[in-house]
Amino acid sequence: EVQLLESGGGLVQPGGSLRLSCAASGFTFSSYAMNWVRQSPGKGLEWVSSIGTGGTTYYADSVKGRFTVSRDNSKNTLYLQMNSLRAEDTALYYCAKHYRYGYRFFDYWGQGTLVTVSS
Amino acid sequence: DIQMTQSPSSLSASVGDRVTITCRASQDIGNSLAWYQQKPGRVPKLLIYTASTLHSGVPSRFSGSGSGTDFTLTISSLQPEDVATYYCQKSNSAPLTFGGGTKVEIK
Repeated sequence: EVQLLESGGGLVQPGGSLRLSCAASGFTFSSYAMNWVRQSPGKGLEWVSSIGTGGTTYYADSVKGRFTVSRDNSKNTLYLQMNSLRAEDTALYYCAKHYRYGYRFFDYWGQGTLVTVSS
Repeated sequence: DIQMTQSPSSLSASVGDRVTITCRASQDIGNSLAWYQQKPGRVPKLLIYTASTLHSGVPSRFSGSGSGTDFTLTISSLQPEDVATYYCQKSNSAPLTFGGGTKVEIK
């Protein structure tokens, strides 16, 4: 059974940093591109970042230069390093798996970890 | 970047009604479109991919159509358990933009 378990969320002051983790199990993690998607309270879904199987990364313009996605295939874990956090980064952050190679939609999602940016 | 626009933003329909949600891309994306359902307080679930392929386990009352810039999600006979917000997402290349969502309620 595929499982994605996010952690690392919390309350941080504007300008601060946070690192999110997503522990994956139930599939061959190294064979799938992975993503971060966020949802601000009461708002819609916003794609944040992707990382391919070879480590190629992509970012939404709203986080480019501030967020860094990475993966450790030996630990089956996806990361999101978030720096220079802003109030508008407050959201539930989901980890999501690509359906399969070349198919850039998401068939499994974690439960999310909440990031609150506030002074 | 390609923008994804959904309409309507919300709708209310009766049980058994046929419901149609539209998603429009600002540029041609072929058939690279997915639809998700998010029930209140729950994680999004994949419904349809490549515009019209029903994901495993999704009831057959859901269907998708379209290509290029105009896409449609149809619920043939609305059920109480279909109360949710529905999102489209372009899946051809990054950025993997979502539409703004359509909230479906029961009248």
